[in-house]
Amino acid sequence: EAEVAQSPRYKITEKSQAVAFWCDPISGHATLYWYRQILGQGPELLVQFQDESVVDDSQLPKDRFSAERLKGVDSTLKIQPAELGDSAMYLCASSPGEETQYFGPGTRLLVL
Amino acid sequence: DQQVKQNSPSLSVQEGRISILNCDYTNSMFDYFLWYKKYPAEGPTFLISISSIKDKNEDGRFTVFLNKSAKHLSLHIVPSQPGDSAVYFCAASNSGTYKYIFGTGTRLKVLA
Repeated sequence: EAEVAQSPRYKITEKSQAVAFWCDPISGHATLYWYRQILGQGPELLVQFQDESVVDDSQLPKDRFSAERLKGVDSTLKIQPAELGDSAMYLCASSPGEETQYFGPGTRLLVL
Repeated sequence: DQQVKQNSPSLSVQEGRISILNCDYTNSMFDYFLWYKKYPAEGPTFLISISSIKDKNEDGRFTVFLNKSAKHLSLHIVPSQPGDSAVYFCAASNSGTYKYIFGTGTRLKVLA
């Protein structure tokens, strides 16, 4: 069964450092999402791609976060510089253009 | 402003009994709803969905009920099994936007 792949699964970094997360969606899925989930809360959308184009990045803190999906397939989310409050689970999801989204295993980030 | 609310942070149920998880929403434009299950250190797994043109959708042990006038939906799990112990999220969207707002989750514990 096809799955969304994410790496790394865990990342520990010091504040002010740069971090990057990678996501490979299910093959053929045109829509890709990055979410942030803080412990005890639900996932919050950071950015939504349709192919290589950004559809919604209204909740992305653009002073320090960036996301790209250059060829409309895999995607990278970057944080520079990381802050203590960025500690969270970063989830990637993809969708073939229907209503259901399929999530990857997530990257758990700890900023010290 | 929390547009999707899961007011019970946790729920304990005896094995074999019914689990009922509740979700309320405030945005009348929402017309498609999903339920996800999440185990620790994993990404959310899709469980079941419902469109606003229906008031019930069933898949095996899982049934989702939608009350549009009350802006309320519920997930019923019958019979509950220990493997159902997880955090359950409801999510809502305005169909066609493919953009979901998630609730804060309910932690279900099924006691053997």
